[in-house]
Amino acid sequence: ETGVTQTPRHLVMGMTNKKSLKCEQHLGHNAMYWYKQSAKKPLELMFVYSLEERVENNSVPSRFSPECPNSSHLFLHLHTLQPEDSALYLCASSQGMAQETQYFGPGTRLLVL
Amino acid sequence: SQKIEQNSEALNIQEGKTATLTCNYTNYSPAYLQWYRQDPGRGPVFLLLIRENEKEKRKERLKVTFDTTLKQSLFHITASQPADSATYLCALAHGSGNTGKLIFGQGTTLQVKP
Repeated sequence: ETGVTQTPRHLVMGMTNKKSLKCEQHLGHNAMYWYKQSAKKPLELMFVYSLEERVENNSVPSRFSPECPNSSHLFLHLHTLQPEDSALYLCASSQGMAQETQYFGPGTRLLVL
Repeated sequence: SQKIEQNSEALNIQEGKTATLTCNYTNYSPAYLQWYRQDPGRGPVFLLLIRENEKEKRKERLKVTFDTTLKQSLFHITASQPADSATYLCALAHGSGNTGKLIFGQGTTLQVKP
């Protein structure tokens, strides 16, 4: 595996639920990312954290809330999601800048009912 | 507008043949370009990185070319095997410093038949 773990691997939630996705990287990297991958679409970058500070938020709806308590852990808090938010959510990390090689976790397959 | 395009149609080839995947981009000037492999329901896995001043890069049965004039990268798998069946993503480096990012294509699915 790549050294980036994600839990849970699968999640089904109702539109009124609150849930959190967790990502942990064991590579000593300084930057972490959340991506959304929908069927037949390119990866969409959602959030970028560098040295635990958010450096980019690509106009993501506020129902997605990231948290990066330290350089090894990244969370994505979910609240009142919509069915169109169903997708594969991928966490990634890189040594430094976002343009460098990124190492991905296995993803969380999310289904919003 | 800025675009990165990969052939959205699946590529079906016979085992032992060479697979060639294409990545074209417009209105970007990437310093380097990367290729990733993604299996169903899994995260992408890094394969190769090629810089703008490199014409070609090889790793075992994989070869990548990068033509900044044509704004195109080609990804070749020689002596293909059924285990090479997956979706292959190209990603180009955009921006610099803390505002830089990777821009991914939508991927091309390769199916190698025995």
